[in-house]
Amino acid sequence: GAVVSQHPSWVICKSGTSVKIECRSLDFQATTMFWYRQFPKQSLMLMATSNEGSKATYEQGVEKDKFLINHASLTLSTLTVTSAHPEDSSFYICSATRLDTSNQPQHFGDGTRLSIL
Amino acid sequence: AQSVTQPDIHITVSEGASLELRCNYSYGATPYLFWYVQSPGQGLQLLLKYFSGDTLVQGIKGFEAEFKRSQSSFNLRKPSVHWSDAAEYFCAVGARAAGNKLTFGGGTRVLVKP
Repeated sequence: GAVVSQHPSWVICKSGTSVKIECRSLDFQATTMFWYRQFPKQSLMLMATSNEGSKATYEQGVEKDKFLINHASLTLSTLTVTSAHPEDSSFYICSATRLDTSNQPQHFGDGTRLSIL
Repeated sequence: AQSVTQPDIHITVSEGASLELRCNYSYGATPYLFWYVQSPGQGLQLLLKYFSGDTLVQGIKGFEAEFKRSQSSFNLRKPSVHWSDAAEYFCAVGARAAGNKLTFGGGTRVLVKP
């Protein structure tokens, strides 16, 4: 199946710093990438939809100035958590798909565990 | 709006026994339906998907699921569970009209007894 790489897998940093998470589709060109947040023992919550070459679409309640998303190419999307605080600690997962190909499921990365001290 | 319900939060099953995970969805049109599995601290792996056609779908690792439109269900089954099947399972619904955005169920944690 399709491979999506997410990096880093684990980040620990001080409060107030910014953290960038990368999501790469390794063997296909992803027109669309999604960013999710998952709290312990809970389901995935969609944060935003990222389309190549355009601004991301954020879900209601997600601060776009806090969570900056860039989708500069068909194989890379980044999520930057700006001025991170302890409440931003979570498991962040990306997925990639192609919307110009029918019946294409989302393929997920392995996630990034973010811990803000 | 789309919604997905997984009624069972936890299921414990003995190794070698059969497994069935329930999933009910709500959506105005025919949805795309998916089952994903997540091991602790990892991302999601696609087990199987339904877009159209045959309502009985075969997936990886010996899993299958059946789409029942009349019941708005997409239950996941495996005839004989292995210890490595212990994980969190998520049912999800999407639609091309919604930009392939997925709505996930709350998940079912499967524990496998030796």
